[in-house]
Amino acid sequence: DGGITQSPKYLFRKEGQNVTLSCEQNLNHDAMYWYRQDPGQGLRLIYYSQIVNDFQKGDIAEGYSVSREKKESFPLTVTSAQKNPTAFYLCASSITAHYEQYFGPGTRLTVT
Amino acid sequence: GIQVEQSPPDLILQEGANSTLRCNFSDSVNNLQWFHQNPWGQLINLFYIPSGTKQNGRLSATTVATERYSLLYISSSQTTDSGVYFCAVQPTGTASKLTFGTGTRLQVTL
Repeated sequence: DGGITQSPKYLFRKEGQNVTLSCEQNLNHDAMYWYRQDPGQGLRLIYYSQIVNDFQKGDIAEGYSVSREKKESFPLTVTSAQKNPTAFYLCASSITAHYEQYFGPGTRLTVT
Repeated sequence: GIQVEQSPPDLILQEGANSTLRCNFSDSVNNLQWFHQNPWGQLINLFYIPSGTKQNGRLSATTVATERYSLLYISSSQTTDSGVYFCAVQPTGTASKLTFGTGTRLQVTL
């Protein structure tokens, strides 16, 4: 089955802890993305990567970090510097940067 | 940056009714996508439509890029159509970034 997987589905953390969200794709897509969704809102871009070992900040990168060591994987770390980390996080991928994006099922992060 | 406005914000329909959702954007785009977000949060791709008209079953979409708007038509609505519909655009000359509207929340009742 080709697709995008995100794990875990739900994640709970205490304030002050870093947490890493997983995103894996087996679609052979070059580009991958991380978005954040807050209740009642659209999605906002955190980071994106057009190719392995390269990534760029999106609109709301502060308090987040990423890596792209393998084509299939684009993990997102939510650091303790992120002031409002509780949100729904969605990962996406596309063949290349300008084409249709496909989304994973998301991870709901709650920080208390 | 580019502005994306969707209307109406909320819509309640009886099963079997038709509806039109609108997406206006403030600048030229090289990518426009329509998504349906189901109650579990999954974003389902409906259309990739930077210009022209496409149809898929009961759904169709039209983008008039020169006038900076796109329309999503839902015919013979079903309760499974309920959820939030998002329009997302990628401005011309930018790499990768999709800018999302705030969505239209659709509820289809029996």
